[in-house]
Amino acid sequence: EDQVTQSPEALRLQEGESSSLNCSYTVSGLRGLFWYRQDPGKGPEFLFTLYSAGEEKEKERLKATLTKKESFLHITAPKPEDSATYLCAVRGSQGNLIFGKGTKLSVKP
Amino acid sequence: NAGVMQNPRHLVRRRGQEARLRCSPMKGHSHVYWYRQLPEEGLKFMVYLQKENIIDESGMPKERFSAEFPKEGPSILRIQQVVRGDSAAYFCASSPLEGGYTFGSGTRLTVV
Repeated sequence: EDQVTQSPEALRLQEGESSSLNCSYTVSGLRGLFWYRQDPGKGPEFLFTLYSAGEEKEKERLKATLTKKESFLHITAPKPEDSATYLCAVRGSQGNLIFGKGTKLSVKP
Repeated sequence: NAGVMQNPRHLVRRRGQEARLRCSPMKGHSHVYWYRQLPEEGLKFMVYLQKENIIDESGMPKERFSAEFPKEGPSILRIQQVVRGDSAAYFCASSPLEGGYTFGSGTRLTVV
């Protein structure tokens, strides 16, 4: 059964304190791993898609990496506006996304 | 491009009433997915539709819930005889045949 597990559930950082979020997955044939950001009361906002081990993508202070078993979302020198819930998902065999429960990130000034 | 449009944004229903949630996919997207999110929980897949076809409804409760994506018009998620446990945020996403998934802003259903 396809499964996604994210850790930690919550993360509190000081502004400028870099860290990483983890997404472990089990899927029969990876057809894409997705990262989304979700702000309270809003829909998920697309960040990255990764398809093969070793692939990396960057956007501003965020960098996503992928291995055969997990993905990391690295946040460098975060700012308070990076506070959000970060969701990881894999594409299932039928084409739908299977999500983890997310990591709630709080960045204090 | 207006993105994925969901309405209403907020919906209040009394127990036993019907709830109808609408989703208009992005222009050019022929695939629609419905998800449910409970407070402090991740997004749970419900159903995947293409025009006039249900592709995968493995996440849909067997009773009271139904979905359609007609040839013309938006996709509809219908919940009959709502109960308090149906209170949640319902999100719709759309995608082209191959590619990324774009989400709407959701409908927040409250059953009183």
